[in-house]
Amino acid sequence: QKEVEQNSGPLSVPEGAIASLNCTYSDRGSQSFFWYRQYSGKSPELIMSIYSNGDKEDGRFTAQLNKASQYVSLLIRDSQPSDSATYLCAVNRKTSYDKVIFGPGTSLSVIP
Amino acid sequence: GAVVSQHPSWVICKSGTSVKIECRSLDFQATTMFWYRQFPKQSLMLMATSNEGSKATYEQGVEKDKFLINHASLTLSTLTVTSAHPEDSSFYICSGDRGQDSPLHFGNGTRLTVT
Repeated sequence: QKEVEQNSGPLSVPEGAIASLNCTYSDRGSQSFFWYRQYSGKSPELIMSIYSNGDKEDGRFTAQLNKASQYVSLLIRDSQPSDSATYLCAVNRKTSYDKVIFGPGTSLSVIP
Repeated sequence: GAVVSQHPSWVICKSGTSVKIECRSLDFQATTMFWYRQFPKQSLMLMATSNEGSKATYEQGVEKDKFLINHASLTLSTLTVTSAHPEDSSFYICSGDRGQDSPLHFGNGTRLTVT
């Protein structure tokens, strides 16, 4: 089992719709969870970080965390064509030191 | 947010030569920096964790003698790809660790092409 898994996509949604991105992780001791957006040829940029169970909202983005199910999700409301990118789920798998592991990414395409 | 500067942004080198990539944390001190590699259409793969003043910790399968990491100060880590080969062509990205479960902020990356 991979440490961090995401729905492979590509995911296509019409403009204005809600995009739902999912992520599961294997290390139950993980404490910190992040969503990054990466445009083609660019470095990842942080969208959200979440540390506690429940929902965290920031503008059009909502991250959801369920540690019991080892599940993290990202909802994008009112999707825009500019949201088209690859979304990376990342987990800080604390061992003797911080170690951030990335999922394979989900490609999102928002259709005008 | 944290600012990380990476240089160069792209480099083309001949097979057999060495290339050095610099990663600087501009507004914070990074005891730890991470080096990732990303091949086309793949995710970021952690190569090594760079620790200021001590040896880097390499991930399984990453050759420490090929990818030399130096973290001589709290704001600078360097990755040297030695005796580069075409299969080393990739996108290399660094990040500084602010600790306390803070998210990683990445440099702009270095696209290495080995001919």
